[in-house]
Amino acid sequence: KAGVTQTPRYLIKTRGQQVTLSCSPISGHRSVSWYQQTPGQGLQFLFEYFSETQRNKGNFPGRFSGRQFSNSRSEMNVSTLELGDSALYLCASRRPENEQFFGPGTRLTVL
Amino acid sequence: QKEVEQNSGPLSVPEGAIASLNCTYSDRVSQSFFWYRQYSGKSPELIMSIYSNGDKEDGRFTAQLNKASQYVSLLIRDSQPSDSATYLCAVVIMYSGGGADGLTFGKGTHLIIQP
Repeated sequence: KAGVTQTPRYLIKTRGQQVTLSCSPISGHRSVSWYQQTPGQGLQFLFEYFSETQRNKGNFPGRFSGRQFSNSRSEMNVSTLELGDSALYLCASRRPENEQFFGPGTRLTVL
Repeated sequence: QKEVEQNSGPLSVPEGAIASLNCTYSDRVSQSFFWYRQYSGKSPELIMSIYSNGDKEDGRFTAQLNKASQYVSLLIRDSQPSDSATYLCAVVIMYSGGGADGLTFGKGTHLIIQP
């Protein structure tokens, strides 16, 4: 099976802009989670989508949002970018046994 | 607030020896436990999952879980230089109706295998 794919792999934005990241889960997996990884805070859970519905949400401001489509692909949006949003954004595909598999990530740099 | 604690290291182990990585967690409700390996500049890769008390072995890796003491560990036997990476411990609460909370990660232990 193909793994989790994320696009784009790298992004450079300026403060105040918005950005949309995309994730395609492993075929047959219906759950997609998003995580933010920074050197200071480590890996932190953003939200999870299952069957087009947000099921769980981490402790992030409302500028971070997401959605999931009927084919299980998911997008994450960050509005009004701040310097502190610079991070590696990881998407994970989860199978029913609860194991999560990560994509390669999108490296976002905010200038 | 769930917390997962790991020694950040670096943990230096000679090639061929056993590397022992430890993790403690604060939430007694946590039910699923995972070890991920992350090479520099790469995304985390799932190594082991463990759900019940005791040991679980997979090749050179053994995960150990003690829910009463709230700790989970990972042993790597016959350590190789290619095992040098950051090892992340993650825990999750599973819901009775299906689904689960998001993974809560520790900050990771940087492991160095010395040739």
